[in-house]
Amino acid sequence: KAGVTQTPRYLIKTRGQQVTLSCSPISGHRSVSWYQQTPGQGLQFLFEYFSETQRNKGNFPGRFSGRQFSNSRSEMNVSTLELGDSALYLCASSRGTSGRRVAWETQYFGPGTRLLVL
Amino acid sequence: ELKVEQNPLFLSMQEGKNYTIYCNYSTTSDRLYWYRQDPGKSLESLFVLLSNGAVKQEGRLMASLDTKARLSTLHITAAVHDLSATYFCAVDNKAAGNKLTFGGGTRVLVKP
Repeated sequence: KAGVTQTPRYLIKTRGQQVTLSCSPISGHRSVSWYQQTPGQGLQFLFEYFSETQRNKGNFPGRFSGRQFSNSRSEMNVSTLELGDSALYLCASSRGTSGRRVAWETQYFGPGTRLLVL
Repeated sequence: ELKVEQNPLFLSMQEGKNYTIYCNYSTTSDRLYWYRQDPGKSLESLFVLLSNGAVKQEGRLMASLDTKARLSTLHITAAVHDLSATYFCAVDNKAAGNKLTFGGGTRVLVKP
């Protein structure tokens, strides 16, 4: 079974530009979550999408946005890039059962996209 | 707001010895996870702990959960070099939805 895939793996952008990252979840998984990892702030939750709807959101400015398509693939976009946006962006997928949580469910992480903002 | 603290932040281990990593969290949690991250790589799921007293073991790693104390431990038995990595614990709860709150990580270096 293929794992979570993320593209691109590496990106270099300059301040003020925008960037779009892509995530393809494990087949059959309907929930996709995004996390930002930096040396200073650690791993922080950005948002979660389930059935094309944002189900949960972390404490990030509106420059960070995302969406999910009908095939559960997800994209996140960061507009007006700042130096502090340099990070490893991780995507995680899970079954994301609608309504009642499934006790044994876990999130599986993709390899990440490393973004460097100059 | 759910907070998760791990200690120590860094652990230098000698091969063959036993060590423990601690994970404290601030409010009621539904599930506690342990992940491993190798340098430059993604997160690999190690354990999911669901209830008080839960214990899971895989090879030289054993994780346990005490929900009353809001504490999880990751015990490493007879450390070997391959266990060098950063270990994260994370928790979630129904109020937070499908959002994981991570600890700061414990960087483990196993020396011969």
